[in-house]
Amino acid sequence: AQSVTQLGSHVSVSEGALVLLRCNYSSSVPPYLFWYVQYPNQGLQLLLKYTSAATLVKGINGFEAEFKKSETSFHLTKPSAHMSDAAEYFCAVSERGGSYIPTFGRGTSLIVHP
Amino acid sequence: KAGVTQTPRYLIKTRGQQVTLSCSPISGHRSVSWYQQTPGQGLQFLFEYFSETQRNKGNFPGRFSGRQFSNSRSEMNVSTLELGDSALYLCASSLGGQLQETQYFGPGTRLLVL
Repeated sequence: AQSVTQLGSHVSVSEGALVLLRCNYSSSVPPYLFWYVQYPNQGLQLLLKYTSAATLVKGINGFEAEFKKSETSFHLTKPSAHMSDAAEYFCAVSERGGSYIPTFGRGTSLIVHP
Repeated sequence: KAGVTQTPRYLIKTRGQQVTLSCSPISGHRSVSWYQQTPGQGLQFLFEYFSETQRNKGNFPGRFSGRQFSNSRSEMNVSTLELGDSALYLCASSLGGQLQETQYFGPGTRLLVL
């Protein structure tokens, strides 16, 4: 069965600092992996996804994530945080060959200090 | 293209009542999924409809039901409301419901059960 773990329910960074949000998955085969962002009072918006092409995936708003099979990780990074990046971030996994039911992590709240 | 729309945006109900939420997917999208989001449980999959058929179902009691119409619009119904049903209900649509497809989320319906 697939599962996804997001380490840290809250991450706090200063504006201009590196953003690193951690995501580890458990799956019998390398899955499809997604990062979504949710701003207050809004639905989720896709940041980026891994579907087995390049292991380094670039997304919107300057975010990128690297799929590391050996570490079963898909961490999200951004070189320089902006105040507008403050939001809730969700990692999600869909297992290849499995049902459509995706599994979401519990989310990480990114706080950006001026 | 218009995004995913959900109505109503906010609802207040009392225990024992029932509620119907509506979701209009992006034009051309045939798959509609529903999620429940709460602070305690995070984002949980309710069910997915594709071409008017429920194709996948999460682990929720039978009080939660849904349907999809020929124009892909979807409704979900919760009967005999309980306090624990208070949540943000999110709808997401995608083209054909493949595992690697991007899901586009609506802004959600916030339900408060008193």
